[in-house]
Amino acid sequence: DVKVTQSSRYLVKRTGEKVFLECVQDMDHENMFWYRQDPGLGLRLIYFSYDVKMKEKGDIPEGYSVSREKKERFSLILESASTNQTSMYLCASTSTYEQYFGPGTRLTVT
Amino acid sequence: DQQVKQNSPSLSVQEGRISILNCDYTNSMFDYFLWYKKYPAEGPTFLISISSIKDKNEDGRFTVFLNKSAKHLSLHIVPSQPGDSAVYFCAASGTTDSWGKLQFGAGTQVVVTP
Repeated sequence: DVKVTQSSRYLVKRTGEKVFLECVQDMDHENMFWYRQDPGLGLRLIYFSYDVKMKEKGDIPEGYSVSREKKERFSLILESASTNQTSMYLCASTSTYEQYFGPGTRLTVT
Repeated sequence: DQQVKQNSPSLSVQEGRISILNCDYTNSMFDYFLWYKKYPAEGPTFLISISSIKDKNEDGRFTVFLNKSAKHLSLHIVPSQPGDSAVYFCAASGTTDSWGKLQFGAGTQVVVTP
């Protein structure tokens, strides 16, 4: 059974804090993705990675960075959290077209 | 500029009836399309897909239709059940999208009433 896990389901952080969101997949997939989901906007791609230490910007990378030191793990970093980064964050992985998603992290920045 | 559009943010349907969800796209390079279903506080789960070489794909109660000339696809759910109440996302990928990237629509909230 395929599995993508995310480190936290709910997170509350203060403005200016550095935030780490972790994602782990057990399917040996090359490609991993970070999205944010906001009402009326669907899923928007923040960053993706196609190999260890390789990363590409998505549609909305501003204010975020990523790290992929191991194939199974992909981290999203908010260098200095702001209130407009309050959102649902979803991690996914794939080796073809079908992406498998984690359960999401609901981040609130106050 | 959003390349995949779901113009209906919500849909209410009676249990047992057909649900029809629509999706339009603008990029003619898209050649693979997927539908995902999402419950609150969970990640999206894959539902059904279709390649551009087909115009229909069926899986149980779910059928996806593709009209390439109109750049339009639809998802039919027959019969609708209360457990189908969720947000449905249309997604597309193309020959120019590397590494499994998908473009998602904004989603349609489906509510199935008894």
